[in-house]
Amino acid sequence: EDQVTQSPEALRLQEGESSSLNCSYTVSGLRGLFWYRQDPGKGPEFLFTLYSAGEEKEKERLKATLTKKESFLHITAPKPEDSATYLCAVQARAGNNRKLIWGLGTSLAVNP
Amino acid sequence: KAGVTQTPRYLIKTRGQQVTLSCSPISGHRSVSWYQQTPGQGLQFLFEYFSETQRNKGNFPGRFSGRQFSNSRSEMNVSTLELGDSALYLCASNGQGENIQYFGAGTRLSVL
Repeated sequence: EDQVTQSPEALRLQEGESSSLNCSYTVSGLRGLFWYRQDPGKGPEFLFTLYSAGEEKEKERLKATLTKKESFLHITAPKPEDSATYLCAVQARAGNNRKLIWGLGTSLAVNP
Repeated sequence: KAGVTQTPRYLIKTRGQQVTLSCSPISGHRSVSWYQQTPGQGLQFLFEYFSETQRNKGNFPGRFSGRQFSNSRSEMNVSTLELGDSALYLCASNGQGENIQYFGAGTRLSVL
């Protein structure tokens, strides 16, 4: 069964304190792995897509990496505005199926 | 370019009633997916529509149904509401040949 597990469930950092969020997955053929950010009362906002092991993508203070079993979202020198829930999802390689399978997310709080 | 629009933003219903939620995708996007988000289960896939046809369906009871119109707008209907249907319902659209799903802000449904 396709499954996504994120850890930790919650993370509290001081401003400038770098850390990493983990997303481990099992899927029958990976089409893509997605990272989203969700702020309270809003829908998920797309951050990155990774397609193959070894791939890395960066955006401002965020960097996403992918292996055959997990992905990491590295946050370098975070700021309070980075506080949000970070969601990981995978899409299986199965015809026209666009269904995303989601983890429960990591709730990140960055204190000034 | 306008994003995904969901209406209404908030709904309060009582058990046994039915409800219809609306989603207007990004202009030019023909694929619309619906998700239910709850704190304990995270985001769970309901169904996907493409060119007015249901292309994929999640593991929800038949009380949950949807449809898509020729202008790609989609509606989701839940009949005989139960307390457990209280959730944030999210709609996402993606362009043809594109894997990235763009989300609306969601409809917060409360069933009393």
